[in-house]
Amino acid sequence: SQQGEEDPQALSIQEGENATMNCSYKTSINNLQWYRQNSGRGLVHLILIRSNEREKHSGRLRVTLDTSKKSSSLLITASRAADTASYFCATGAGTALIFGKGTTLSVSS
Amino acid sequence: DAGVIQSPRHEVTEMGQEVTLRCKPISGHDYLFWYRQTMMRGLELLIYFNNNVPIDDSGMPEDRFSAKMPNASFSTLKIQPSEPRDSAVYFCASSPTQETQYFGPGTRLLVL
Repeated sequence: SQQGEEDPQALSIQEGENATMNCSYKTSINNLQWYRQNSGRGLVHLILIRSNEREKHSGRLRVTLDTSKKSSSLLITASRAADTASYFCATGAGTALIFGKGTTLSVSS
Repeated sequence: DAGVIQSPRHEVTEMGQEVTLRCKPISGHDYLFWYRQTMMRGLELLIYFNNNVPIDDSGMPEDRFSAKMPNASFSTLKIQPSEPRDSAVYFCASSPTQETQYFGPGTRLLVL
């Protein structure tokens, strides 16, 4: 069953712009994670935010979590062509992760 | 560490044949997960193991699918008999906990 739902499904921006992706989920969680998948490759873990955290940074990535709204956002600042990929949120609640269907980001130079 | 290793990377087979996918997790990781990814259904968890023991196999689509983990460094996912609707990319992932997962490169399966 799908827990996380990413929005938008697809996003096209120019290099240097910021990209924001959103994730909504339905049930209580212990943590929420974001993964990146380049075309034809496996998923790569980007960042994990726990349910008692509201914001987390890692390099050009900023993740927020609002447990009252059951939503999270991933912001990629100063995007590069190499950021072109699909981005998935995954929710953890003490069992296995449940992944959303992803946002496909295209960054053109 | 080499990361999670999957083989084969690509598999083309005919309907009715047996397919075996293999995975070597990262050493020291106690959890191993098998996923299937398709355009229509996204990334689906099929089964996961903790310390070689299957914990949740509720995602295994039907009896044609089976998975084993005979030791901490090897797991197989078998489909017998295979059907065209099994065509997908199959990922193996491992984790030291149930949190961050490390994915292999995937096996692209095409059943004709």
